[in-house]
Amino acid sequence: GNSVTQMEGPVTLSEEAFLTINCTYTATGYPSLFWYVQYPGEGLQLLLKATKADDKGSNKGFEATYRKETTSFHLEKGSVQVSDSAVYFCALSGGSGTYKYIFGTGTRLKVLA
Amino acid sequence: GAVVSQHPSWVICKSGTSVKIECRSLDFQATTMFWYRQFPKQSLMLMATSNEGSKATYEQGVEKDKFLINHASLTLSTLTVTSAHPEDSSFYICSTVGSGGSASYNEQFFGPGTRLTVL
Repeated sequence: GNSVTQMEGPVTLSEEAFLTINCTYTATGYPSLFWYVQYPGEGLQLLLKATKADDKGSNKGFEATYRKETTSFHLEKGSVQVSDSAVYFCALSGGSGTYKYIFGTGTRLKVLA
Repeated sequence: GAVVSQHPSWVICKSGTSVKIECRSLDFQATTMFWYRQFPKQSLMLMATSNEGSKATYEQGVEKDKFLINHASLTLSTLTVTSAHPEDSSFYICSTVGSGGSASYNEQFFGPGTRLTVL
């Protein structure tokens, strides 16, 4: 079945450091891929998405490229800020004609000033 | 993107009582809604899929008599936790998939969540 494997956290970085959070997936068909961010006590906010191979999603300085050959969708940001401290979830949807999401376990990021 | 609200945002109740959580899609028709629960520092666990006008489909291991879902209209789904116990304390999040443009790319839109504490 479909699955998402996400880099375990927590990840602690200094402000302005480079961020990579790894995400790989297994899926049948052609899933869409998503990154969501969750701040403490809040729901999930869509950070970026990609719907087909080689698509690059980007938002607020974050980027991720849908790599079908490596079945990956790694999240990157060139210079993190303290305000980026949150939990990040990788998810896939639609690989088997369903809207159901498969979530990764989440990666907690803490950025120190 | 679509706007989804949840009410209440947090609730505290006594053991044995029932609690109803509402999930509303504010600006589009939601033919399908999902209910998740999230334990502290864990990922989201899908509880059930709710389709407007039909019975919800529950995931394996989720008690349908415990977690009653009603999706009576295209803008409202409710989750009722019946005879709540402390182990039901959790963060409950709903999401929607609309008809038309908002459903493209298989994307879900999430509510802000409801924190339930059962004493």
